[in-house]
Amino acid sequence: EAGVAQSPRYKIIEKRQSVAFWCNPISGHATLYWYQQILGQGPKLLIQFQNNGVVDDSQLPKDRFSAERLKGVDSTLKIQPAKLEDSAVYLCASSLGWTGGNEQFFGPGTRLTVL
Amino acid sequence: SQQGEEDPQALSIQEGENATMNCSYKTSINNLQWYRQNSGRGLVHLILIRSNEREKHSGRLRVTLDTSKKSSSLLITASRAADTASYFCAPSSYNTDKLIFGTGTRLQVFP
Repeated sequence: EAGVAQSPRYKIIEKRQSVAFWCNPISGHATLYWYQQILGQGPKLLIQFQNNGVVDDSQLPKDRFSAERLKGVDSTLKIQPAKLEDSAVYLCASSLGWTGGNEQFFGPGTRLTVL
Repeated sequence: SQQGEEDPQALSIQEGENATMNCSYKTSINNLQWYRQNSGRGLVHLILIRSNEREKHSGRLRVTLDTSKKSSSLLITASRAADTASYFCAPSSYNTDKLIFGTGTRLQVFP
C-alpha cells in the first residue's frame, strides 16, 4: 500500500515570496490534515478536510495561508507571502474517517526555509 | 480536543535497557494514540489504546491507560539504537479525529 506522498521535500524561499506544497493521501482515505511543525515542537494542526470540505481550519493563518482539496483527493497548501516564522516542516496526513480517533498516516513532510 | 503532555522531555538510556514515557491529559477521551518521529522524518503511528482498555502490547511496546488519573505510559523494552526518536502522545476526544500534539519525549538510546 502506497503511503502519503508529499512534494517538494525541501524548499528555500525569501520572505514575501509565495510557495505551494502538494499532498496525495492514501487511496480511500476521506480525511486529510495539514500540520506545521516548528523545530523542537510537536506538529500543530493547520487544517483538516473531510473529503473536499473543511472540518477545522481554526489554526490556519488565513491572511497568508490557504489550502484546497479538489475532488476530495489531492491537496495543496499555499503560503503567500511567506514570513521568516513560517520556516518549519509541513506535514500532510490522512485517515479513514473523521470520528473516533482513527490512526493518522503521515507523509515525509516538506521542509521550508524562509530567508 | 485536548493536548497530551509528555514527561520527561528527554531521556537517555543504554541499549538493552527499558524506556518509560508518560503522558497526561485533562478531559475525557475516546482513545489515546502514541506516535514516533525519527530525526528528519514524518510521524509513525505506534499504538492506539481505547478508553475502556487498561493495557495493550505491540511487540516490544507496552502501553497502559489510567482514565481515573488521566494518564498513559509507553514502555519500550530491550531498547535499541534504532528506537532513538521523539515520542508523542495524542489523546482523542469523542466525535473528532483532531489530534493535538505536545512537545514529545526525546529518547536517545546509546549503543
